Amino acid sequence: GAGVSQSPSNKVTEKGKDVELRCDPISGHTALYWYRQSLGQGLEFLIYFQGNSAPDKSGLPSDRFSAERTGGSVSTLTIQRTQQEDSAVYLCASSLTPGPGGEYFGPGTRLTVT
Amino acid sequence: AQSVTQPDIHITVSEGASLELRCNYSYGATPYLFWYVQSPGQGLQLLLKYFSGDTLVQGIKGFEAEFKRSQSSFNLRKPSVHWSDAAEYFCAVLTGGGNKLTFGTGTQLKVEL
Repeated sequence: GAGVSQSPSNKVTEKGKDVELRCDPISGHTALYWYRQSLGQGLEFLIYFQGNSAPDKSGLPSDRFSAERTGGSVSTLTIQRTQQEDSAVYLCASSLTPGPGGEYFGPGTRLTVT
Repeated sequence: AQSVTQPDIHITVSEGASLELRCNYSYGATPYLFWYVQSPGQGLQLLLKYFSGDTLVQGIKGFEAEFKRSQSSFNLRKPSVHWSDAAEYFCAVLTGGGNKLTFGTGTQLKVEL
């Protein structure tokens, strides 16, 4: 009965480097979300995947951010040319049904950009 | 734009005392509202949600919330707080065509023994 897992749990990177954050959702969950939690902005929606539909990318803050979900399971959030303001905890969640309210959140990846 | 306001950044209560955490929303239509809890070292967990119907909603861990349209509020309550309730609590409203949540800034709850 594994829950949502995220890796790495902590990531320290230098400004300008690219990073990849991984999310393993609960098996069979068709919906997957990425959120960002930072001191200055609180919790922000980033992107939503639902089955084979086109993802809702409306929360991505810039074109340096992208995400993909392979085979309807694992998702990777990529941040290119990281900036210090990207420092935050990145949360992934998955749910069996579309829409919030039934999702399970992972423990997050804490990203620090130096 | 839709928004959620949690006016109390920190709240301290004694164990066994009652609790009310405030949440106000700004949304044009009938809102779908949520409360989540984030305990230290743990992920966000849904406490309860309101979509329609009875305005008093029961959740897990003995929490309840009441939707008051006239006050644009969705306050979270618990009659008797336990030390294990110490955590950060987030109110959220569903926006963006049903795909995403807009969160409040959170209320950090401290429970004194």
